Amino acid sequence: SQKIEQNSEALNIQEGKTATLTCNYTNYSPAYLQWYRQDPGRGPVFLLLIRENEKEKRKERLKVTFDTTLKQSLFHITASQPADSATYLCAPLGAAGNKLTFGGGTRVLVKP
Amino acid sequence: DTAVSQTPKYLVTQMGNDKSIKCEQNLGHDTMYWYKQDSKKFLKIMFSYNNKELIINETVPNRFSPKSPDKAHLNLHINSLELGDSAVYFCASSQGTSRRVGNEQFFGPGTRLTVL
Repeated sequence: SQKIEQNSEALNIQEGKTATLTCNYTNYSPAYLQWYRQDPGRGPVFLLLIRENEKEKRKERLKVTFDTTLKQSLFHITASQPADSATYLCAPLGAAGNKLTFGGGTRVLVKP
Repeated sequence: DTAVSQTPKYLVTQMGNDKSIKCEQNLGHDTMYWYKQDSKKFLKIMFSYNNKELIINETVPNRFSPKSPDKAHLNLHINSLELGDSAVYFCASSQGTSRRVGNEQFFGPGTRLTVL
């Protein structure tokens, strides 16, 4: 069965440093991969989408990579700020439609 | 303006009761979803409707029945509530699958259901 794994341990990082989160998937060949941010008590918010033929995507201080050989996506937050503290979810998506399968999320805590 | 809204935000009820959660989106999207997020924070899709037609129906007990009166609304009715139904339920919407694949989903604020 499809499996999506994100580091369940919280990532504690100092303000200004780069946070790197990992999303690994097995038994799956997604055509797209989305990343969402979720704050406590709120719904997920879309951040970035990367296609299987794209190696890298950037948006402001965020960078996502997608390695279909390694079956892995990396999510980077550069120059991290305390406001970046949240849980980040990866969600691979097949080519057929909009059925997102979410990973368990990684909690990021940026300390001033 | 709220894009995806859900009511109620909190729902506390006894086992065996029947309850409904309502969802509305004002984004003009064709597709709506219900997700369940359990205590371990895993977010799992339950149902999806596209233009009032059911297109995704995951392995969910028959006690859960979605209803879409129009493409801006998707309600979730739960019969005979059980302790294990306690979770946060999120509604979401996205542009139709026929127009664009891989498009982002907009989530509502969630409904925290507690079954006692």
